[in-house]
Amino acid sequence: AQTVTQSQPEMSVQEAETVTLSCTYDTSENNYYLFWYKQPPSRQMILVIRQEAYKQQNATENRFSVNFQKAAKSFSLKISDSQLGDTAMYFCAFQGQGGSEKLVFGKGMKLTVNP
Amino acid sequence: NAGVTQTPKFRILKIGQSMTLQCTQDMNHNYMYWYRQDPGMGLKLIYYSVGAGITDKGEVPNGYNVSRSTTEDFPLRLELAAPSQTSVYFCASSPSGVSDTGELFFGEGSRLTVL
Repeated sequence: AQTVTQSQPEMSVQEAETVTLSCTYDTSENNYYLFWYKQPPSRQMILVIRQEAYKQQNATENRFSVNFQKAAKSFSLKISDSQLGDTAMYFCAFQGQGGSEKLVFGKGMKLTVNP
Repeated sequence: NAGVTQTPKFRILKIGQSMTLQCTQDMNHNYMYWYRQDPGMGLKLIYYSVGAGITDKGEVPNGYNVSRSTTEDFPLRLELAAPSQTSVYFCASSPSGVSDTGELFFGEGSRLTVL
């Protein structure tokens, strides 16, 4: 069974700094998808970024980028120029290509951006 | 633009009571999901639906029932509530399967406490 591990339960960063959130996963599949979701204090979860395992190029969305290391099964999220609005819970998630609709989520990590 | 709407936002139940969590989406999405989020844990899939009239179990379906009579609505029924069902429940939708787009659109959540 696939598992997703977020080993850092909580982090804080100063506004405008860069922070990296770590995520590792375990799977025997070769093709799959990885996601970072953000859950602000208002609790509505939104997609931050998505990576297909068959793509070697790391995904980037404005200030958010990933470092995808397939061999190491690592999928970290880098947030550049942190803003107060980045304060949220961040969840790493895995989706296999086997046809199941199940997204496997990590336990989440609470990020606080301080002014 | 309502997106995914869940009601109620908060509810306290006594052991053995039953209730229905309502979820409706106005994006004409075929896929809908119910997740639960326990404290300090990631989301776990309860049930999902790939279209009206079609539902399937997720990872933790016991104690719950769903129906999907319309594209818009996907209610979650709790029968004989137990303290183990104390959690935050999230409804989500997607235009197609997770493996296609990867993006789930979430509601704001419903916090349920069973005493």
